[in-house]
Amino acid sequence: DAGITQSPRHKVTETGTPVTLRCHQTENHRYMYWYRQDPGHGLRLIHYSYGVKDTDKGEVSDGYSVSRSKTEDFLLTLESATSSQTSVYFCAISEDPGETQYFGPGTRLLVL
Amino acid sequence: DQQVKQNSPSLSVQEGRISILNCDYTNSMFDYFLWYKKYPAEGPTFLISISSIKDKNEDGRFTVFLNKSAKHLSLHIVPSQPGDSAVYFCAASAPLFGNEKLTFGTGTRLTIIP
Repeated sequence: DAGITQSPRHKVTETGTPVTLRCHQTENHRYMYWYRQDPGHGLRLIHYSYGVKDTDKGEVSDGYSVSRSKTEDFLLTLESATSSQTSVYFCAISEDPGETQYFGPGTRLLVL
Repeated sequence: DQQVKQNSPSLSVQEGRISILNCDYTNSMFDYFLWYKKYPAEGPTFLISISSIKDKNEDGRFTVFLNKSAKHLSLHIVPSQPGDSAVYFCAASAPLFGNEKLTFGTGTRLTIIP
């Protein structure tokens, strides 16, 4: 299994508060991704990174920001959490674009 | 606009029989396709892939078929085992056209009946 961890694994927060999710990898892969999984939508890409300090938006990036200051860490921040951001968030990594992506265990976020 | 569609939300199959999961896509630029399997409370795990230069790829009990003219792919699992019960996602990308980002379907929940 690829060495990918996500923290926290579960979080409950209130509307309007900022939330940061962390993805940590030990594989030294260049590409990292954040997805959210919702019923009826499958997995949707929020943001991705193609190197330290290099990030780009996915299809559902509104309300989210990311940062990558080290190869191994990719942070996802919900600037002001809303109930529509209640979801399961997955981090993924890949060695190159177009290569198979490997997923972390997920973070279940509930925004009340 | 759902570019990758899995029209069957669920499927039940008897143990030992063949499971066939289907996926349709609308974007003709997609040229790389993958299947992922997901157990509850875990992340998706890669199962098998196929590029558009092939129409079939096998890995043990798993075979993926690609019909480019119909924009359709299917995953066959033979024989089905209880441990195959999971949600299966198909995904597609267009690396030859500079778009390596994966587009996922909505998933099919497979239940293997002992």
